[in-house]
Amino acid sequence: RKEVEQDPGPFNVPEGATVAFNCTYSNSASQSFFWYRQDCRKEPKLLMSVYSSGNEDGRFTAQLNRASQYISLLIRDSKLSDSATYLCVVNAASNYQLIWGAGTKLIIKP
Amino acid sequence: EAGVTQFPSHSVIEKGQTVTLRCDPISGHDNLYWYRRVMGKEIKFLLHFVKESKQDESGMPNNRFLAERTGGTYSTLKVQPAELEDSGVYFCASSLDTEFGGYTFGSGTRLTVV
Repeated sequence: RKEVEQDPGPFNVPEGATVAFNCTYSNSASQSFFWYRQDCRKEPKLLMSVYSSGNEDGRFTAQLNRASQYISLLIRDSKLSDSATYLCVVNAASNYQLIWGAGTKLIIKP
Repeated sequence: EAGVTQFPSHSVIEKGQTVTLRCDPISGHDNLYWYRRVMGKEIKFLLHFVKESKQDESGMPNNRFLAERTGGTYSTLKVQPAELEDSGVYFCASSLDTEFGGYTFGSGTRLTVV
């Protein structure tokens, strides 16, 4: 079983729609959680950290469910520029390594 | 502020050759990390420097990989001899401390071994 699992997609979504991704992680002792965004042939960039209470940044909302060990990302009013691969990232509980999901590809269509 | 710089951006080498990748972190960032993504797989941790010391090198795949960070500034990652399965994108990141939200990634080196 992978340490961080994501649906690879692609998710084909019309512009303006709401889209949600989930991610599950295997290590219950993980402490920090993130969503990164990666554009084609570019480096990953931090989209947002995920906090236990849930957090929102503009059109983006992240949720963490420790009991079920999953993390979600909701994108509202999607834009063409949101097309990218979204990577779920978890820190290793015992050190400073980041454990990455394989990513979910999102395609926003006009 | 200059970001994390990696060189070269692309490298194509033959199996058995040696390649050295370089990463210049953001000035003042003590923490430097190497990650790589091989085709179709997740990004995987390779190692973590704090200044010039290797804090964690548990992700290094084998002894064909050698990372250095002399003087605690830039870092090099040497692959010798390169094998086909070493092909992928090698990312470097740096941070002021170990808060992950403060990571900045370089644009990566795309290594192709033929």
